Amino acid sequence: RKEVEQDPGPFNVPEGATVAFNCTYSNSASQSFFWYRQDCRKEPKLLMSVYSSGNEDGRFTAQLNRASQYISLLIRDSKLSDSATYLCSSSGGSYIPTFGRGTSLIVHP
Amino acid sequence: DTGVSQDPRHKITKRGQNVTFRCDPISEHNRLYWYRQTLGQGPEFLTYFQNEAQLEKSRLLSDRFSAERPKGSFSTLEIQRTEQGDSAMYLCASSSKLRGRAPTFNEQFFGPGTRLTVL
Repeated sequence: RKEVEQDPGPFNVPEGATVAFNCTYSNSASQSFFWYRQDCRKEPKLLMSVYSSGNEDGRFTAQLNRASQYISLLIRDSKLSDSATYLCSSSGGSYIPTFGRGTSLIVHP
Repeated sequence: DTGVSQDPRHKITKRGQNVTFRCDPISEHNRLYWYRQTLGQGPEFLTYFQNEAQLEKSRLLSDRFSAERPKGSFSTLEIQRTEQGDSAMYLCASSSKLRGRAPTFNEQFFGPGTRLTVL
């Protein structure tokens, strides 16, 4: 079983829709969680940190569920420009992040 | 631009040749990471430095791969005797332990990557 798993998608949604992705992690000692956005043939860019209390930034909300060992990303009012691959990562005390394979989002008009 | 930079951006080489990539992290960041990414996959950890010390190296990393960060600033990744399976995007990222809130010290700031093609 991979340490961090994501549904690769693609998630195909219309503009204005709300979409949510989950990411499961297997290491119960994981302490740090992040969402990154990666555009085609570009480097990943940090989107959000995921705190125990959750985190909201505009249209984006991230949650952590330690009991079930997953993190989630909710995007409200999807824009065409949200089309990208969303990577999650987790790391324990070793400072070495493990990344999922990413979830592809396509927002269409 | 004070972000992470990598050089070269693209490298095409023949099988069996050696290649070296350079990464310049964000200046105040003390941690530097190398990853490899292939199509449809997330970044795969290769190795990690804290200042000039190489603290961790992936068990999956072949002996043909070596990395250095001699003065705790820029880093180089060398691949000897390249193979076609080495073709990938090589990403460098840096992070800092100086951020105040605990989870954020693992935030990764990535460079644009070096795309390696081995013919």
